[in-house]
Order: sequence, then C-alpha cells, then structure tokens
Amino acid sequence: QTVVTQEPSLTVSPGGTVTLTCASSTGAVTSGHYPNWVQQKPGHTPRALIYAAINKHSWTPARFSGSLLGDKAALTLSGVQPEDEAEYYCLLFYGDSWVFGGGTKLTVL
Amino acid sequence: EVQLVESGGDLVKPGGSLRLSCAASGFTFSNAWMSWVRQAPGKGLEWIGRIHKRIEGGTTEYAAAVKGRFTISRDDSKNTLYLQLNNLKTEDTAVYYCTARIVAECERWGQGTLVTVSS
Repeated sequence: QTVVTQEPSLTVSPGGTVTLTCASSTGAVTSGHYPNWVQQKPGHTPRALIYAAINKHSWTPARFSGSLLGDKAALTLSGVQPEDEAEYYCLLFYGDSWVFGGGTKLTVL
Repeated sequence: EVQLVESGGDLVKPGGSLRLSCAASGFTFSNAWMSWVRQAPGKGLEWIGRIHKRIEGGTTEYAAAVKGRFTISRDDSKNTLYLQLNNLKTEDTAVYYCTARIVAECERWGQGTLVTVSS
C-alpha cells in the first residue's frame, strides 16, 4: 500500500512564506509522479492549483509555486493571504493509479 | 465554462448498489480522461479511479480499495460519466466527486454527491 505523506498542519503569519511538502513511501518523488496540488477551503469543493510539479493553472494565484525539493514535492506560498487558509492535498501518479496525500491544514494566524 | 454535475447519491444499506452520474459540459467530453474522487466525512481526498478516452480504448484503472466493487463507465453521446458502486460498505460513506483531466489529472471538479451507507 503506497502512502503519500504531508505535514498534518502548518501555521503561517499573513504576508509570510510557507512550504508544504509531499513524500512518497516508495522513495523520492520525481517528475514522473506528476505531482499535483489541490486546495480545499472549508465547506468548498476542491480546486486544482499546480500540476506536473511546477505548472500553474490559469486561475492559480502567482503567490503559489510548486517544485521538487530534495526527495519531495513542495508547494510554496509567498506573501500568504488570509484567504489561503485551507487544506492542501498533493496527488502523485504511480503508473496505473493516483494517490492523494493526507492533506496539510494551513492556518493563517 | 466547464461544468460537472454529479447526481445519484442516496442512503443505501450495506451490501446494496448505487449508480452515480456526472453530466459534463463546457469542454469536449470525449477528449477527456475522467476520474472519481471521494471524501469521507471529516477525512481527506481519496482517488477512486479513472477512465481513458474511448478512442484510446476507454480503459479503466482503480484504486486497490475499490477494485472489483466499483466500475467506471462513460457515454460520450450523453457527455456523461458513471460510477457503479456494488456491495457497498459503511466505509464507502462519502461525498463522491467527478473530475476531468483537460490538461492535468483532477483539474476540474464537480460539486459532489453524498453516498451514505447505513442500515
């Protein structure tokens, strides 16, 4: 059973910078996992933010960026806004299936 | 505008069956790989499976947790995606989301439909 691991929770101050990470139980996360990042605000439908590790959708705010950081995928928020408070999920590809991470609850305080 | 509208969620007894639908509009449905994702109450997202384009054979892939019980299908003439859920268990209780891959997996999401499995 493949497990994708994220920080359960993080806290950041408004205007600050925070990096969320995504690790795979199978080893290093690479571009071949096509890392995706999805945001879900409380009571709302999930929304895709980043795909294939670094690419933004047309609606993704510029302050969000994706990368591969060491052996993990990463989502960095620069200049955090109060409306960025949400759950963030990474999604990795494993050949014939995709697996979500457990999510990171980001608190802006 | 891309729209995905799920329907068919209901209260069903353990061991029962249900078919969910997802009506798509605003994009060329036949050109899109489509997936289902679920979210149990208060829990995270779980990828269930996906179906390739008909022109690619319409092949399906499933998460291990649902393989053999759930079946994904599509009707491109109706721009509709389906999820057949059989032998339902209480742990299948969740909001089920339909997603579309236009550029990337799970790029566009529907609003979800609630399936409750309880006796």
